[in-house]
Amino acid sequence: DAGVIQSPRHEVTEMGQEVTLRCKPISGHDYLFWYRQTMMRGLELLIYFNNNVPIDDSGMPEDRFSAKMPNASFSTLKIQPSEPRDSAVYFCASSPVQQRTFGGAKNIQYFGAGTRLSVL
Amino acid sequence: GQNIDQPTEMTATEGAIVQINCTYQTSGFNGLFWYQQHAGEAPTFLSYNVLDGLEEKGRFSSFLSRSKGYSYLLLKELQMKDSASYLCAVRDPRHDYKLSFGAGTTVTVRA
Repeated sequence: DAGVIQSPRHEVTEMGQEVTLRCKPISGHDYLFWYRQTMMRGLELLIYFNNNVPIDDSGMPEDRFSAKMPNASFSTLKIQPSEPRDSAVYFCASSPVQQRTFGGAKNIQYFGAGTRLSVL
Repeated sequence: GQNIDQPTEMTATEGAIVQINCTYQTSGFNGLFWYQQHAGEAPTFLSYNVLDGLEEKGRFSSFLSRSKGYSYLLLKELQMKDSASYLCAVRDPRHDYKLSFGAGTTVTVRA
């Protein structure tokens, strides 16, 4: 499997512009996650989906952020309008249904390579 | 919420052992993960603990004490390629798929 695929790898835009980040999860994974990583705040969960349905969007910072998952193989994270403080690396991750082990379910998350966003 | 603490940086010599500590304060406990992240790359899964004790996987081991809210990742026989950030993450007790990550510990391995 090719792993989680994100595009673009790098995005440079001007303040006020719309930005769309894309993600293709690993085939067969039922869970998809969007994270943001900055030096100041570390790795933060923004939103996650189960079977294409948003489950928890409490980490989405503002109404300027929106995420969709129209089908099992594609998701987008949109920022409109973008601001300089949105500059960060955005990761997408996916996870299969619970992997039960003796010690409980692992639910390992597999991350894409990330999109480095710079808003000028 | 989750409060997770890890040291910011550690430096060690090639061939040595390094222990990265992680303390957490959570309302309930539902599993702890360690991820490795090389500079400019994605985090990758290293280990998972949900019961007290040591989990060994080659040169890497992870320990958990639920009563103390404490875990550590032990890296043995350090290699240059182990230079990376190591992230401790705890799972939300109410949501099996929701992780909260610590800020990460940057380990630098010197020759």
